[in-house]
Amino acid sequence: KAGVTQTPRYLIKTRGQQVTLSCSPISGHRSVSWYQQTPGQGLQFLFEYFSETQRNKGNFPGRFSGRQFSNSRSEMNVSTLELGDSALYLCASTQTTGTDTQYFGPGTRLTVL
Amino acid sequence: GQQLNQSPQSMFIQEGEDVSMNCTSSSIFNTWLWYKQDPGEGPVLLIALYKAGELTSNGRLTAQFGITRKDSFLNISASIPSDVGIYFCAGQLRDSNYQLIWGAGTKLIIKP
Repeated sequence: KAGVTQTPRYLIKTRGQQVTLSCSPISGHRSVSWYQQTPGQGLQFLFEYFSETQRNKGNFPGRFSGRQFSNSRSEMNVSTLELGDSALYLCASTQTTGTDTQYFGPGTRLTVL
Repeated sequence: GQQLNQSPQSMFIQEGEDVSMNCTSSSIFNTWLWYKQDPGEGPVLLIALYKAGELTSNGRLTAQFGITRKDSFLNISASIPSDVGIYFCAGQLRDSNYQLIWGAGTKLIIKP
């Protein structure tokens, strides 16, 4: 069974631009969570989607948004990029919301110049 | 917000040594998870704990769910070079909407 895939793996943008990251969960998994990871920091929870609905949301500004499609694939969008948005963005999938065993993708490394 | 205190922040060890790290909180958790992250990759689940006092092993790794439900420990015996990486604990609070709370990680470095 294929794991969680994220595209692109690396991305370079400039301040003020917007970016869209994509995540395809493990087949059969319906919940997708997004995290931001910066050097020396733990994983900061962004949001979780289940059955195309946002279930949970972390403490991030409204510039960070996401959505989930009917095939469970999810996208995350960041508008008006800031230098501080440079990070590794991780996506994790679980079979259903409320389960704790999250399977992570390799992440998208975003660099904002 | 809720926090997990993970320590130590980093460890320099010799190959063959045993390693111990822990996570503590003032809150009560239903579940404790331990993940390992290699450079450039996402975290990979090592051990999941679901009951207070539970002791679970995965090869050379052993983790325990603290009896107070506020802490957890991970031990690695006879470390080898491939153990290098960042280890994260994560917990699911007793009264929560299933959101995981994450520690800041323990970076394991093996001295040459």
